[in-house]
Amino acid sequence: GAVVSQHPSWVICKSGTSVKIECRSLDFQATTMFWYRQFPKQSLMLMATSNEGSKATYEQGVEKDKFLINHASLTLSTLTVTSAHPEDSSFYICSARVSPGTGTNEKLFFGSGTQLSVL
Amino acid sequence: GQNIDQPTEMTATEGAIVQINCTYQTSGFNGLFWYQQHAGEAPTFLSYNVLDGLEEKGRFSSFLSRSKGYSYLLLKELQMKDSASYLCAVRAWDTGRRALTFGSGTRLQVQP
Repeated sequence: GAVVSQHPSWVICKSGTSVKIECRSLDFQATTMFWYRQFPKQSLMLMATSNEGSKATYEQGVEKDKFLINHASLTLSTLTVTSAHPEDSSFYICSARVSPGTGTNEKLFFGSGTQLSVL
Repeated sequence: GQNIDQPTEMTATEGAIVQINCTYQTSGFNGLFWYQQHAGEAPTFLSYNVLDGLEEKGRFSSFLSRSKGYSYLLLKELQMKDSASYLCAVRAWDTGRRALTFGSGTRLQVQP
């Protein structure tokens, strides 16, 4: 299956600093990538949809100025958590949509996730 | 919006069969996915249903009834490594986002 690489796997930072998370599609071009957040024992919550070459679409309640998303190329999307605070501590996962053929059975392939801990 | 329900936890015995149910309410339904997620790891794709019926893939099968808004994941010959969370996710066109909305997940514990 398609490979999505996400880095870093975990990061610890001080409150007020910014953290950048990278998501790369290694063997395919991903015109659309999605960013999810997951709190312990909870489901994945979609934060934003990232389209190559255009502005990201954010879900209701997600601060676009705090969670900066850049999708400058077909293989790379980044999520920057600006001025991180302890409540931002979470598991962040990116995913890329693979659309073979007509796209009726398109699937999402996930990166390995990034555990962010803000002290 | 979308509403997805699945049991929070289930326990089963090694070698047995377990069925994990998922019910959903959505408009513009365009597919239901099952993912497996081990603690601290990203979800991995298990199955996809867009038409009614049963899809079988090795020890895993998934069933869909669109009229009932119902799906189940069937795991046969359970192994200890099957202990994980199983996420039901629905894709709908109502928002045009083509993203998936996930249920809260079912934590399956396989016992010897």
